[in-house]
Amino acid sequence: KNEVEQSPQNLTAQEGEFITINCSYSVGISALHWLQQHPGGGIVSLFMLSSGKKKHGRLIATINIQEKHSSLHITASHPRDSAVYICAVKWGGNKLVFGAGTILRVKS
Amino acid sequence: NAGVTQTPKFQVLKTGQSMTLQCAQDMNHEYMSWYRQDPGMGLRLIHYSVGAGITDQGEVPNGYNVSRSTTEDFPLRLLSAAPSQTSVYFCASSVDTLNYGYTFGSGTRLTVV
Repeated sequence: KNEVEQSPQNLTAQEGEFITINCSYSVGISALHWLQQHPGGGIVSLFMLSSGKKKHGRLIATINIQEKHSSLHITASHPRDSAVYICAVKWGGNKLVFGAGTILRVKS
Repeated sequence: NAGVTQTPKFQVLKTGQSMTLQCAQDMNHEYMSWYRQDPGMGLRLIHYSVGAGITDQGEVPNGYNVSRSTTEDFPLRLLSAAPSQTSVYFCASSVDTLNYGYTFGSGTRLTVV
C-alpha cells in the first residue's frame, strides 16, 4: 500500500509570501497529482507530474522520483489562494491514493 | 460542455435504505471513478472504471456497487445504507490517467441517520 504524507497540515501566510507544501510517498509511482479544493468543496486538478518541474502562473510543482518527494510552491501568495491543497499518487495501475491535505490560509 | 455532473448534491437516508448517486460526463472520458471524503482523512477510492463494461474495486468498496453500461454514466449504488457511509462523495473522470489530470464533479453530501 502507498502511504502519502503531506506537510504542513495547516499553513497561515501573509499576502505576498512564498509558500511551500510538501508531499512524500512510500512506494514507486507512475504519476503524482496536485489538487486544489475550494472552500465551497469543489476540487480542481492543478498539476500532473511524472518527473521534473511544471509551472502554471504563480504555481510551481516539482517532483524528485528518487527521494519519493514532491513540492508545490506558490509565489506572491494572495488571499484567493486560500484552499486545501491535496497531493495524490497514481500507482498499481489506475488507483489514486490521496494525502490528507494542507489547509492554506492567506491573510491580507 | 458541462464536465462531470453529480446528482443529487445533498441527500439524507435512513439506515437500511438504498439509493443511487448519479455521475455523468460529456467529455468522452474512458476512465471514471468514485471517492469518498471524510473529515481528517484523504479522499479514498471506492470503485473505478476504465471503460464501458469494465469496473474494478478501489480501497473501500464494501457496501457499494457500480456498473458502467455507457461511456457517459457511472452510477454508485448504496444497497443498504449505514451511518458509516455518511460522507461527501466525489466522482471524477479522465481521458487518460497516464498523461492527463482528473475532472471532478461538485460532490454529493450524504447523511445516513
